[in-house]
Amino acid sequence: DAGVIQSPRHEVTEMGQEVTLRCKPISGHNSLFWYRQTMMRGLELLIYFNNNVPIDDSGMPEDRFSAKMPNASFSTLKIQPSEPRDSAVYFCASSLTPGFEMFFGSGTQLSVL
Amino acid sequence: TQLLEQSPQFLSIQEGENLTVYCNSSSVFSSLQWYRQEPGEGPVLLVTVVTGGEVKKLKRLTFQFGDARKDSSLHITAAQPGDTGLYLCAGDAGANNLFFGTGTRLTVIP
Repeated sequence: DAGVIQSPRHEVTEMGQEVTLRCKPISGHNSLFWYRQTMMRGLELLIYFNNNVPIDDSGMPEDRFSAKMPNASFSTLKIQPSEPRDSAVYFCASSLTPGFEMFFGSGTQLSVL
Repeated sequence: TQLLEQSPQFLSIQEGENLTVYCNSSSVFSSLQWYRQEPGEGPVLLVTVVTGGEVKKLKRLTFQFGDARKDSSLHITAAQPGDTGLYLCAGDAGANNLFFGTGTRLTVIP
């Protein structure tokens, strides 16, 4: 298996623009997680899905952030409009079920100018 | 919010030295995981500890879960340059929601 695949690896955009991050979890994994990593705050859970259903989105910063999982093999995290403080590395991870080992993608480095 | 504090935040040592990294919280966790993250990559799971007082060994790495399941330590014997990376602990508070620690950035100098 290729592991968790995220795209793009790097994204540079201007404040106010819409940003869409994509994730393909490992086939057969039922849980998908979106994390954000910064030097100041470390790794923060934004939202997680189980069987394509959002279970906990309490970590989503505000209404500018939204996430979808239309099927078991694809998820998106969208920021609209983006702001400079959104600059971070965004990770997607998947696991067989919640509580099992999580496998992380290589992340998307987002820079909002 | 469950807060997991790791210490030290940064650690730079010579190859061959031993080191210990700590992960502390005031919360009780049903399990605790340790991850290592290398630059430009996502974290990779090293070990999961579940039982209070549990000790697990992974080659030169020894992991211990505190008796009260609030803290954990990672000890590396005879560190090698390949051990360089960001070490993260992550606690499961029971809702299958992992809270990650602040991380320890380890550099092993050849």
